[in-house]
Amino acid sequence: EVELVESGGDLVQPDRSLRLSCAASGFAFDDCAMHWVRQAPGKGLEWVAGISWNSGKIDYADSVKDRFTISRDNAKRSLYLQLNSLRPEDTALYYCVKDMHPGSVRYFGLDSWGQGTLVTVSS
Amino acid sequence: DIQMTQSPSSLSASVGDRVTITCRPSQLINVYVSWYQQKPGQVPNLLIYAASTLQSGVPSRFSGSKSGANFTLTISSLQPDDFATYYCQQTYSAPITFGQGTRLEIK
Repeated sequence: EVELVESGGDLVQPDRSLRLSCAASGFAFDDCAMHWVRQAPGKGLEWVAGISWNSGKIDYADSVKDRFTISRDNAKRSLYLQLNSLRPEDTALYYCVKDMHPGSVRYFGLDSWGQGTLVTVSS
Repeated sequence: DIQMTQSPSSLSASVGDRVTITCRPSQLINVYVSWYQQKPGQVPNLLIYAASTLQSGVPSRFSGSKSGANFTLTISSLQPDDFATYYCQQTYSAPITFGQGTRLEIK
C-alpha cells in the first residue's frame, strides 16, 4: 500500500525558512515523479513544484519560483521542499503527491496523496 | 502558463441526477487532463486521467471525455457519496494548473 508521510510544517514568521520532508513507502519511489501541492484554508488546490524520477526535470509554480526548492533522495525514499523567504500567502496545507509516471518529459495523473503538513506564516 | 477555466463553480443536484462539469484550457493540451474529487476534511482522490481513463477502484458512473478543446467530467447517476468538490488539472506543460473547483451540493 502506498504511504506518503509529510513532516516539517510549523508556525513561522514572514521571511523565515522551513524545510518539509516526505517519507514514501509501498511503491517503487525511484520510478515515479513526485510533487508538492498546497491548499490554503478554504481554498482550492495549487500545484507548487514537481520533480522527475531522477531529478532531471524540476518545475515550479510562478508564485514560488526562486523561493522554494524541491529535491529528492531516492536512496532514502524521501522528497523535500525547502521554503525560503516565506510570506503570509504561503500559509497552507502542503501535500506530498505521487505521479503515475516517471515525469522525464511530462507529468501525469497524481494518484496518491499524503495527509499534508500545515505551514502557517504569521508574525 | 495554461489556464484551466472550470464551470460551474457550484452546482446543486439531487440523488439520481446526471451531472456534467467542464474545463476549458487556454491552449491545446492533447489529453493531459485529470479529474479529482475532494470531500471535506479529506485528501483529493484521482478519478480520471488522460482525459477519459477511469482510475482503478473508481465507480463506473464517473466518466471523462474531450470534445474539441474542452474536457468534461460526467457523473451518470449521482449517489449520496458523490457530493464533494471536483477539480480538473492539466499536466501538458509546467507549471501544472488546476481548475478553480466545482462544489457539488445536495438540492
